[in-house]
Amino acid sequence: DGGITQSPKYLFRKEGQNVTLSCEQNLNHDAMYWYRQDPGQGLRLIYYSQIVNDFQKGDIAEGYSVSREKKESFPLTVTSAQKNPTAFYLCASTSTGFGELFFGEGSRLTVL
Amino acid sequence: QQQVKQSPQSLIVQKGGISIINCAYENTAFDYFPWYQQFPGKGPALLIAIRPDVSEKKEGRFTISFNKSAKQFSLHIMDSQPGDSATYFCAASPGTYKYIFGTGTRLKVLA
Repeated sequence: DGGITQSPKYLFRKEGQNVTLSCEQNLNHDAMYWYRQDPGQGLRLIYYSQIVNDFQKGDIAEGYSVSREKKESFPLTVTSAQKNPTAFYLCASTSTGFGELFFGEGSRLTVL
Repeated sequence: QQQVKQSPQSLIVQKGGISIINCAYENTAFDYFPWYQQFPGKGPALLIAIRPDVSEKKEGRFTISFNKSAKQFSLHIMDSQPGDSATYFCAASPGTYKYIFGTGTRLKVLA
């Protein structure tokens, strides 16, 4: 089945640690995205990538980093510089940039 | 200018009733307006979408009404069912790989 796989589904982190969230898609989509979801705030864009080896900052990129070495993969690192990292993180992809966004099941990060 | 304002924040409807969620935008460059449905602990999934060349689109019990002059669009869920209980997000895109989401509406349909 084609889709977007995010892992891990749940992750706990101690303050000061970096963590990496995985996102893999087998839809052959060019563009991939990372969103952060907090209650009452909708989906806020962290980073997006239109093609391999290129990515752009979104509205809340501070404290996060990404890479896009393969078309299928777009991992997100939450660094210790992110002041309030506890959130639900969603990865998405699209083939055209002006049509349907497909989302993964999300990763819930909790900082202890 | 890049915001999409969504209301209400939460909505309670009786089974069989009509659920209405509204969104407003300011950027006239937006030309794609999707609605996403999200169940707890899951990622959002596309429900229905519209482009500004039509004023209404219907898919089953779900209808988007689009008012280009007022820069507003809304989702109507007819004959609402308990299984429709979810969070709904409107969004808008200018077609340049950017998508702006509303803040979401939590819908609860009472049995």
